[in-house]
Amino acid sequence: SAVISQKPSRDICQRGTSLTIQCQVDSQVTMMFWYRQQPGQSLTLIATANQGSEATYESGFVIDKFPISRPNLTFSTLTVSNMSPEDSSIYLCSAERVNTEAFFGQGTRLTVV
Amino acid sequence: GDSVTQMEGPVTLSEEAFLTINCTYTATGYPSLFWYVQYPGEGLQLLLKATKADDKGSNKGFEATYRKETTSFHLEKGSVQVSDSAVYFCALRPPSGYSTLTFGKGTMLLVSP
Repeated sequence: SAVISQKPSRDICQRGTSLTIQCQVDSQVTMMFWYRQQPGQSLTLIATANQGSEATYESGFVIDKFPISRPNLTFSTLTVSNMSPEDSSIYLCSAERVNTEAFFGQGTRLTVV
Repeated sequence: GDSVTQMEGPVTLSEEAFLTINCTYTATGYPSLFWYVQYPGEGLQLLLKATKADDKGSNKGFEATYRKETTSFHLEKGSVQVSDSAVYFCALRPPSGYSTLTFGKGTMLLVSP
């Protein structure tokens, strides 16, 4: 298994500002992902974080709004830019090795006011 | 495309009651199937998994059997505890190549003493 540390665990932010969420895995993993979980909803994949190159975004998500970095095999960041109340959600980092199950961080609960 | 359908919650039970949370899926071939659990304020944790037809995954008293004929992976537990109160997510991964997980909407379980 892998242990994923995600921070901050929660934050309250003003609209128009940006928040960067960090995800650290305790061992090398092949894939890292970022999900959004809106209140009472399931997980929606935002993007796959690719090491050393641009992330692969899912439909409805764009790099300008959710820039992602992955400088090495164990670390990734997600920035929520120019926030609005609609961005209030839980953001989850996930990591996988080939042919294994996914591991998740504890999530970042974001409230935009 | 692939999809996962779970019964809607909340499911409300008394302690020691029998639990069933239904999960059916739509996918090509033989996907791997998973149940994840999310305790309040935490990220997702893998509960159990099955990778081929008729496999039974089990963990912490929970069980689920991969039924190809009914495309189902229902979660069961013979006697629930208050500490089992959480949101349960059914998920699948397609068999061919590497693909991300597809999650159901989640089912909240509330167990009262």
